[in-house]
Amino acid sequence: DTGVSQDPRHKITKRGQNVTFRCDPISEHNRLYWYRQTLGQGPEFLTYFQNEAQLEKSRLLSDRFSAERPKGSFSTLEIQRTEQGDSAMYLCASSTNQQGPPEAFFGQGTRLTVV
Amino acid sequence: GQNIDQPTEMTATEGAIVQINCTYQTSGFNGLFWYQQHAGEAPTFLSYNVLDGLEEKGRFSSFLSRSKGYSYLLLKELQMKDSASYLCAGRLTGGGNKLTFGTGTQLKVEL
Repeated sequence: DTGVSQDPRHKITKRGQNVTFRCDPISEHNRLYWYRQTLGQGPEFLTYFQNEAQLEKSRLLSDRFSAERPKGSFSTLEIQRTEQGDSAMYLCASSTNQQGPPEAFFGQGTRLTVV
Repeated sequence: GQNIDQPTEMTATEGAIVQINCTYQTSGFNGLFWYQQHAGEAPTFLSYNVLDGLEEKGRFSSFLSRSKGYSYLLLKELQMKDSASYLCAGRLTGGGNKLTFGTGTQLKVEL
């Protein structure tokens, strides 16, 4: 396994369009997280799955945002009716709740630019 | 929530030692992480502290004082490639490994 994979790496979209991003976690990891990062800031938590269950959503996640992890493997993050303020790096991370270090491993991110 | 505070920028000299401090609110605290992030890349895990004391990993060490809500990352024998953002992140009890990040400390290593 080569780590957490995200697709696409870059996305430019016009305001008002819908976009969808995909994340493939490390295969044995049952926890998956989405974060958003803007320039000069640390990542901000958006949402978190354990297997297929979405256990927590940040207040940052407006109604235009939805995330799924239908089979407990890959996840998608959709943003509807994009706004310029949605421009950011969207990071996916995964971790395991097994014994051992609890660190999350991050993907390379999807950089979204809304024009 | 959990406020994570760390300096915005630091500059140090190649070969030297630098200490990056981080303070956090102690309520519900359940672990402190340090990540390194080079520009345009993903954060990569450096260290994890859940008990008081020093954790050493090669040139990198991290310290935690739970009673003071304080941690630091110590980088020894600095190399130019250590120029990056260093992110301090806290985990809360019951948060399922969700992390709250600071803004990151941009470290510049100079000759």
